Amino acid sequence: GAVVSQHPSRVICKSGTSVKIECRSLDFQATTMFWYRQFPKQSLMLMATSNEGSKATYEQGVEKDKFLINHASLTLSTLTVTSAHPEDSSFYICSASLIAGGPLKGNEQFFGPGTRLTVL
Amino acid sequence: GDSVTQMEGPVTLSEEAFLTINCTYTATGYPSLFWYVQYPGEGLQLLLKATKADDKGSNKGFEATYRKETTSFHLEKGSVQVSDSAVYFCALSGPGYSSASKIIFGSGTRLSIRP
Repeated sequence: GAVVSQHPSRVICKSGTSVKIECRSLDFQATTMFWYRQFPKQSLMLMATSNEGSKATYEQGVEKDKFLINHASLTLSTLTVTSAHPEDSSFYICSASLIAGGPLKGNEQFFGPGTRLTVL
Repeated sequence: GDSVTQMEGPVTLSEEAFLTINCTYTATGYPSLFWYVQYPGEGLQLLLKATKADDKGSNKGFEATYRKETTSFHLEKGSVQVSDSAVYFCALSGPGYSSASKIIFGSGTRLSIRP
């Protein structure tokens, strides 16, 4: 249980186009989802926190108009990279926090496998 | 701000060797501390955690003790296996951790175990 999926796993796009990445909690509901960015051989950097039904909270230095986050349901959050540029190429990872009270552990974040974005 | 520093990799060991991956942190108050593991092609998984000073987290033969006096949370395992090959991340979250709390990660340490 407690599986988080991301789609696509890998995407290549042209500079100037927009790319949408989906994060789904497959077998649990998540009020809060997080989006991270990971550069090669570096740590995960938190980009934003999204709560179902409300606007995402962005970390300092993250452009909210460039990285659009929508958390429309308790099982789905999307990250859209708008007008992508080569410097946006990175590994994007989401995590979902489990609502307490279910059959699974209630105090843990579960991570997706990541999406590799390459902007040409 | 809060931060985590862990030893750089890669670390290469022979099977059954003793493992230590060092981790120190900077934070206000009493953060919760974690070790996450990322196996090839998979998402990060929580390996163990400790929420207060002197707590010891343990799982799958791995252990780490929350040392407030040295602000450390070193990961240890007495006898590593090939299946332990992965990237290990030390991390922290603020006091009063819940699943909706922000997590700050270290840079990760890649561990390779030779048969």
